[in-house]
Amino acid sequence: QLVLTQSPSASASLGASVKLTCTLSSGHSSYAIAWHQQQPEKGPRYLMKLNSDGSHIKGDGIPDRFSGSTSGAERYLTISSLQSEDEADYYCQTWGTGIRMFGGGTKLTVL
Amino acid sequence: EVQLVESGGGLVQPGGSLRLSCAASGFTFSSYEMNWVRQAPGKGLEWVSYISSSGTTIYYADSVKGRFTISRDNAKNSLYLQMNSLRAEDTAVYYCARDAASTTGYFDYWGQGTLVTVSS
Repeated sequence: QLVLTQSPSASASLGASVKLTCTLSSGHSSYAIAWHQQQPEKGPRYLMKLNSDGSHIKGDGIPDRFSGSTSGAERYLTISSLQSEDEADYYCQTWGTGIRMFGGGTKLTVL
Repeated sequence: EVQLVESGGGLVQPGGSLRLSCAASGFTFSSYEMNWVRQAPGKGLEWVSYISSSGTTIYYADSVKGRFTISRDNAKNSLYLQMNSLRAEDTAVYYCARDAASTTGYFDYWGQGTLVTVSS
């Protein structure tokens, strides 16, 4: 069964870097995912599509501070030079025939 | 500029019906697959339904199958979600979201959402 697992919360200091993780369920390590950001009281925003080989396609206007990487079934979102506006919920998303699904989301706190 | 604008949300009693709309602009609507995604208060994102660019292929999450109907009017650049037999657990902000391309299933544009509250 296709499942995406994310840690519920993460925190890092202003100006530092943070790496968020999304884990694909067993047998699905070849799947691509997408990362979405949801700032407080706003709709989600597409950040990037991340392939199993680590290549990625960013959304319009997404700064270079946001990058993606892959290791096995793990998909990572790294945010460098953290800014206050990066405090948000981050969701990974994947898809199959007839289905789209999300991880539970990670709430990022910028200290 | 791609824009997706939802409307039609509101307060409805359990067992009632509501029809949501999503007006699309800034792209060739008829070429893109579309989705509805919802978010219950304080909860994460939940995919609800998908419709192909022509409207011939449709999928639903198990939680809404048999109660919700997705449709589109490519001439009007609009996406719809007819919601029947509404339950308290359907209370959520409903977003429309565009599939990035026909060969993939990730969302590259989102609307701002419309709130549906199911309560007596």
